[in-house]
Amino acid sequence: DIQMTQSPSSLSASAGDRVTITCRASQNINNYLNWYQQKPGKAPKLLIYAASSLQSGVPSRFSGSGSGTDFTLTISSLQPEDFATYYCQESYSTPQTFGQGTKLEIK
Amino acid sequence: QVQLQESGPGLVKPSETLSLTCTVSGGSISSYYWSWIRQSPGKGLEWIGYIYYSGSTNYSPSLKSRVTMSVDTSKNQFSLKLTSVTTADTAVYYCARGVHSYGLYFDCWGQGTLVTVSS
Repeated sequence: DIQMTQSPSSLSASAGDRVTITCRASQNINNYLNWYQQKPGKAPKLLIYAASSLQSGVPSRFSGSGSGTDFTLTISSLQPEDFATYYCQESYSTPQTFGQGTKLEIK
Repeated sequence: QVQLQESGPGLVKPSETLSLTCTVSGGSISSYYWSWIRQSPGKGLEWIGYIYYSGSTNYSPSLKSRVTMSVDTSKNQFSLKLTSVTTADTAVYYCARGVHSYGLYFDCWGQGTLVTVSS
């Protein structure tokens, strides 16, 4: 299985901050990388697919980049509703695997 | 818009079979790769497998020997059976719609249902 490693595991930030979360794959996955946001007690929500494509309805302050093994999710200006846990997921192979998550907390 | 809803027992005894159904509303089950994903504190998010509306399946190798998925297009439902469960199968189980583009990603999820394996 491909291992997905996110960093940091947790992050404290303030509203208005620019935040970057990193996801590293254990092998080349081209751009087969997706990002999800999960709030407590809720299902994950798709934010970004194919490394950099914004899912319909997701605010433009979210962006994704990267290819190969290294990827980033950037939130350009944090809003109160963005405090959540973020997961990356590789869709290059079976089984698709997820990162361990990055918890974004209010500073 | 499409909505997914899981249903099934919240408590299953060890060695028995976990059975869940996902009902799709607001859209057709035709096309897409209908998936099951679970989440536990110990293992995070884990993809279990998918079933295509035609009935073809793809399961995670680690669970393949215990998993069966089926689809009922007339009811807009798909189902999961996981046999010989242990406490390690305790998790929140989600059904999700898989889009096959740049691999498989999940654009619509059910709310999730907690299944506890305990005697």
